[in-house]
Amino acid sequence: DIQMTQSPSSLSASVGDRVTITCQASQDITKYLNWYQQKPGKAPKLLIYDASNLETGVPSRFSGSGSGTDFTFTISSLQPEDIATYYCQQYDSLPPFFGPGTKVDIK
Amino acid sequence: QITLEESGPTLVKPTQTLTLTCTFSGFSLSTSGVGVAWIRQPPGKALEWLALIYWDDDKRYSPSLKSRLTITKDTSRNQVVLRMANMDPVDTATYYCAHSRPRPVFGVLVPSAVFDYWGQGTLVTVSS
Repeated sequence: DIQMTQSPSSLSASVGDRVTITCQASQDITKYLNWYQQKPGKAPKLLIYDASNLETGVPSRFSGSGSGTDFTFTISSLQPEDIATYYCQQYDSLPPFFGPGTKVDIK
Repeated sequence: QITLEESGPTLVKPTQTLTLTCTFSGFSLSTSGVGVAWIRQPPGKALEWLALIYWDDDKRYSPSLKSRLTITKDTSRNQVVLRMANMDPVDTATYYCAHSRPRPVFGVLVPSAVFDYWGQGTLVTVSS
């Protein structure tokens, strides 16, 4: 099974800051990585698929990159509505495990 | 427009079997490559994938919970049912169902695990 790790587990940043989260897979998953946003009390929302493809309707300040085992998720300019926990998830093979999440809040 | 809704008991006793139903609309589970997944989240903790059923009745389970899980589909009623046996207080969580969309590979849609639509979730508490 492919295990996922994320760092940091939490971060605080100011509005307008650039925020970066990393995700690492335990083995090569090529480009098959999703990023989800989960706001408190809500279901997760798919933001990025195939490591770097923005889901329709998702603001362009969100982006993803990487391939193989190392991936990065970036918010180019943090907004108050971006307060959430962000999860990566691999789908190169089943089981499609999620990472442990990164909680983002405003400093 | 794709929607999914989870339903089932909010409280179960230890050792009981939990039965959850996901009722969906806006897609058919007879469409090639499509699937429905169950994912749970204990309070304050991370997401945990549980099971997935595809249009062709292929079923996949989390290795750590496989012996306790059963996933089935009723295509005509647009429902997917998850059963989890021998419930324990550590199984207290919000349970979500989600639509899994296929991915294109050389022009052919193949099953994947991209969860693009989710239900609102249902909180299940395990307590005597």
